[in-house]
Amino acid sequence: DAKTTQPPSMDCAEGRAANLPCNHSTISGNEYVYWYRQIHSQGPQYIIHGLKNNETNEMASLIITEDRKSSTLILPHATLRDTAVYYCIVRVTDSWGKLQFGAGTQVVVTP
Amino acid sequence: DTGVSQDPRHKITKRGQNVTFRCDPISEHNRLYWYRQTLGQGPEFLTYFQNEAQLEKSRLLSDRFSAERPKGSFSTLEIQRTEQGDSAMYLCASSLTYNEQFFGPGTRLTVL
Repeated sequence: DAKTTQPPSMDCAEGRAANLPCNHSTISGNEYVYWYRQIHSQGPQYIIHGLKNNETNEMASLIITEDRKSSTLILPHATLRDTAVYYCIVRVTDSWGKLQFGAGTQVVVTP
Repeated sequence: DTGVSQDPRHKITKRGQNVTFRCDPISEHNRLYWYRQTLGQGPEFLTYFQNEAQLEKSRLLSDRFSAERPKGSFSTLEIQRTEQGDSAMYLCASSLTYNEQFFGPGTRLTVL
């Protein structure tokens, strides 16, 4: 699976959009981009995933560049409960195997 | 609450003792995963099961570690002769589809 690079931390004001970047320049054609988050003292939680089209669900939007070498997770209206570590993971499609987590981005939402 | 439960939530043990953790996945999920997480790092994969079959093991899973999933339901992770380096959060996850793994709250192990 391809490696990902994320900033170690970022701050966001409550109510504003949080844009979390991820670089995955070595991504292969059969690899999806997944995002999970981990709130303090909890297990990771799935957010969203995508292959090449932009995706949106009730939690977030995922924007993948046309060359697929980077992506951005967007939390449209950040709340204090969105304070967490966010992990960007690249994974082969149709794979039952492991998730390979990096260090992620610590997002702190402030009032 | 994801529906995945782990027991105990916290375990303190002395170096050299054996410990066993239990994971109860969401009932219809046939895939079950174990991960380990140390402070400041993302979770690291240890092993995973499809039903009762253990399909993949990480090189992190030394011969002091053993995992089972009898009858394809709950799973146990045993660590023999614990070392201080085993101190970590042990996470269990289960899945029914390729896309989403549901994680439990974890068992925090402290080895003194």
